[in-house]
Amino acid sequence: NSKVIQTPRYLVKGQGQKAKMRCIPEKGHPVVFWYQQNKNNEFKFLINFQNQEVLQQIDMTEKRFSAECPSNSPCSLEIQSSEAGDSALYLCASSPGTGGFSNERLFFGHGTKLSVL
Amino acid sequence: QQKVQQSPESLSVPEGGMASLNCTSSDRNFQYFWWYRQHSGEGPKALMSIFSDGDKKEGRFTAHLNKASLHVSLHIRDSQPSDSALYFCAASGPPTYQRFGTGTKLQVVP
Repeated sequence: NSKVIQTPRYLVKGQGQKAKMRCIPEKGHPVVFWYQQNKNNEFKFLINFQNQEVLQQIDMTEKRFSAECPSNSPCSLEIQSSEAGDSALYLCASSPGTGGFSNERLFFGHGTKLSVL
Repeated sequence: QQKVQQSPESLSVPEGGMASLNCTSSDRNFQYFWWYRQHSGEGPKALMSIFSDGDKKEGRFTAHLNKASLHVSLHIRDSQPSDSALYFCAASGPPTYQRFGTGTKLQVVP
């Protein structure tokens, strides 16, 4: 069973609407990642955090996506104005961050499946 | 972002048989590899990592890495129907995130 908790499991939005999803990382894991998995099962990295600070993010994330990992609250990923191309499975993962985050095992949640109509 | 290629796209093996999956990184900066498995409706789950040249065995799973060619393979012996899933390799290199491959769909036929 996933110890990374993602909510909601399913999210349906109209084009132009905001879409927000949340993630509670595994206890004791300070590093959190967001990936997008499209219908062809291709992964796209979006952003990662160590504690509350952004480590890396791609251009797309800077423009239409916003994400945060506040202290003592779930992490969140929000799409400001949803587009049809945003329909995908959004996966949150966490890692212990003990040896540098690049090569560590990622622990994934079940994902939030976003459908933009 | 796609710098990790996997083959074959799909694979069917009989129950009890051997499944062999391949993965190649096109970027020499990414030479540390993980294998993940994703069952339908779930998130990926890590199977094993391999960071050094040669073989690494964990139970029924054996990974082989050739750093010179940046090629890694995963062999599943005595395949079970429960092994039917999507398999992804992920390549990384400090200080950046793991890049996932294109995936192989494995079907184990009873």
